[in-house]
Amino acid sequence: EAGVVQSPRYKIIEKKQPVAFWCNPISGHNTLYWYRQNLGQGPELLIRYENEEAVDDSQLPKDRFSAERLKGVDSTLKIQPAELGDSAVYLCASSLKPGTGVWTQYFGPGTRLLVL
Amino acid sequence: AQKITQTQPGMFVQEKEAVTLDCTYDTSDQSYGLFWYKQPSSGEMIFLIYQGSYDEQNATEGRYSLNFQKARKSANLVISASQLGDSAMYFCAMRGLNDYKLSFGAGTTVTVRA
Repeated sequence: EAGVVQSPRYKIIEKKQPVAFWCNPISGHNTLYWYRQNLGQGPELLIRYENEEAVDDSQLPKDRFSAERLKGVDSTLKIQPAELGDSAVYLCASSLKPGTGVWTQYFGPGTRLLVL
Repeated sequence: AQKITQTQPGMFVQEKEAVTLDCTYDTSDQSYGLFWYKQPSSGEMIFLIYQGSYDEQNATEGRYSLNFQKARKSANLVISASQLGDSAMYFCAMRGLNDYKLSFGAGTTVTVRA
């Protein structure tokens, strides 16, 4: 079974430029998460989707970050414009619907973003 | 609110030996789940093991075992017979049993020496 797929794996951009990250979750997982992981820290949740609905985006900096999951499968996270402080690893994870058994979150390989 | 504390920023272990990674937690939830993830330098967070707060037996998965002491609020990970490929960052995480949000600790870097 394929795991969570993310692209690109690495991205280097100049500040004020836009950037987008793509995620394809594990087949059958209707819950999708985007996390940000700063250097030397654990991941922190940005947004959670149940199917195509963003059910928790309270930690998403909405002035510059946006996300979508139009058909309830793939998702895109966008930053526009990027700032130096956005340099981090952006991780996508998926799980079965919360409350379904253990519903472990499985993570993708992440996108390492460097903003210059 | 939930808080995870990992006090060991880095550890060295000799190949084939066992290593214990400490994790303590604080929560007001009566039911919760504890997780350990491995993050190699490639960046992917790999799920290792899960322990439910009401599970009476300590969880085991191959060379990984979780030493769960509920009264002390600790959930230490034991890696037996360390291998070079075990060199990575290890994160302890938890969530309420019916909650979706995972709270992570700061992680412990493990380096296995040949």
